[in-house]
Amino acid sequence: NAGVTQTPKFQVLKTGQSMTLQCAQDMNHEYMSWYRQDPGMGLRLIHYSVGAGITDQGEVPNGYNVSRSTTEDFPLRLLSAAPSQTSVYFCASSYQKPPSTSPLHFGNGTRLTVT
Amino acid sequence: GNSVTQMEGPVTLSEEAFLTINCTYTATGYPSLFWYVQYPGEGLQLLLKATKADDKGSNKGFEATYRKETTSFHLEKGSVQVSDSAVYFCALSDLGAGSYQLTFGKGTKLSVIP
Repeated sequence: NAGVTQTPKFQVLKTGQSMTLQCAQDMNHEYMSWYRQDPGMGLRLIHYSVGAGITDQGEVPNGYNVSRSTTEDFPLRLLSAAPSQTSVYFCASSYQKPPSTSPLHFGNGTRLTVT
Repeated sequence: GNSVTQMEGPVTLSEEAFLTINCTYTATGYPSLFWYVQYPGEGLQLLLKATKADDKGSNKGFEATYRKETTSFHLEKGSVQVSDSAVYFCALSDLGAGSYQLTFGKGTKLSVIP
């Protein structure tokens, strides 16, 4: 069982560069989401999707884009990286969309540094 | 809106000590409550959950009881081990709000020393 797979594990970008963080799940989960984790801030939701072709904004969406063309994949795009986007990014999925009793399954994270 | 408040960390305990991590919540509906654990260098994983008032979730020696009257879901373990060192997150999923997201607390870092 692969679960939720995130790539890359580490990335260093220069200000203004763009990149895509990949997320894939093999559990046929309906719901997928992206969080960022910063010291003292806990987890903050960036974007989420309740199914293929459907995405919506979370708490901190600015500077990020997402798409959900398949059930399995939910990439996160940084269009023009800024130092404020230095963080650890987590992808998470669940069988049912919240609110529900289905728990979230998390990937192991991508540590991004923007210089 | 929904919110989750956890006790500030870090918490440092000796092996075999009793652990309590406090969690209180505010929700507009009838939430399900979760505790997640994050080990160093890993993503979060579900530790336990409770879906209605007075339910007790338990796993790996950890327990938490859903107390609606005090809007609390405190995490407890009778005897911690070094391997329990991690960050613990309380979270809720509000069945009444119709919001497609979980609400997380800020996390409590636990260090257990031999």
